[in-house]
Amino acid sequence: EDQVTQSPEALRLQEGESSSLNCSYTVSGLRGLFWYRQDPGKGPEFLFTLYSAGEEKEKERLKATLTKKESFLHITAPKPEDSATYLCAVLRYGGSQGNLIFGKGTKLSVKP
Amino acid sequence: EPEVTQTPSHQVTQMGQEVILRCVPISNHLYFYWYRQILGQKVEFLVSFYNNEISEKSEIFDDQFSVERPDGSNFTLKIRSTKLEDSAMYFCASSELTRVEQFFGPGTRLTVL
Repeated sequence: EDQVTQSPEALRLQEGESSSLNCSYTVSGLRGLFWYRQDPGKGPEFLFTLYSAGEEKEKERLKATLTKKESFLHITAPKPEDSATYLCAVLRYGGSQGNLIFGKGTKLSVKP
Repeated sequence: EPEVTQTPSHQVTQMGQEVILRCVPISNHLYFYWYRQILGQKVEFLVSFYNNEISEKSEIFDDQFSVERPDGSNFTLKIRSTKLEDSAMYFCASSELTRVEQFFGPGTRLTVL
């Protein structure tokens, strides 16, 4: 069964304290792995797509990496505005264009 | 920057009533989706829609649910007879024909009393 597990569930950082969020996945043929940011009461906001092991993507203080079993979202010198829930999702081959399977997310709090 | 829009932002209804949630996908996107998120739980896939027909649906998407593209811009989700357990955030998303990235709307919070 396709599955996405994110850890930790919650992470509290001081401003400037770098850390990583983990996304472990089991899928029968990975078509793409996605990272989204979700603010309270809002829809997921697209951040990155990763397609194959070894791939890396960067955007401002965020860097996403992918291996055959997991993905990491590295946050360098976070600011309070980075506080949000970060969602990981996978899309497998063989399904339709869009059946994304989501993890529960990591709730990140960055204190000034 | 183009974005997915959804109306209403919050819908309150009585159990057994029909509701229609509306979405306007990004204009050049051809794939459309509905997801839901029960409070404190994962975002769950409901249905994907392409070329005026359902491409895939989940077990959640039973006979009480239907989708429609009534015109060139709107995409709707209808729940025929709402249940208490239908209370959730419902997200519409869309994607381009040749890309897999999905862009989500702000959601409609459905509360069934």
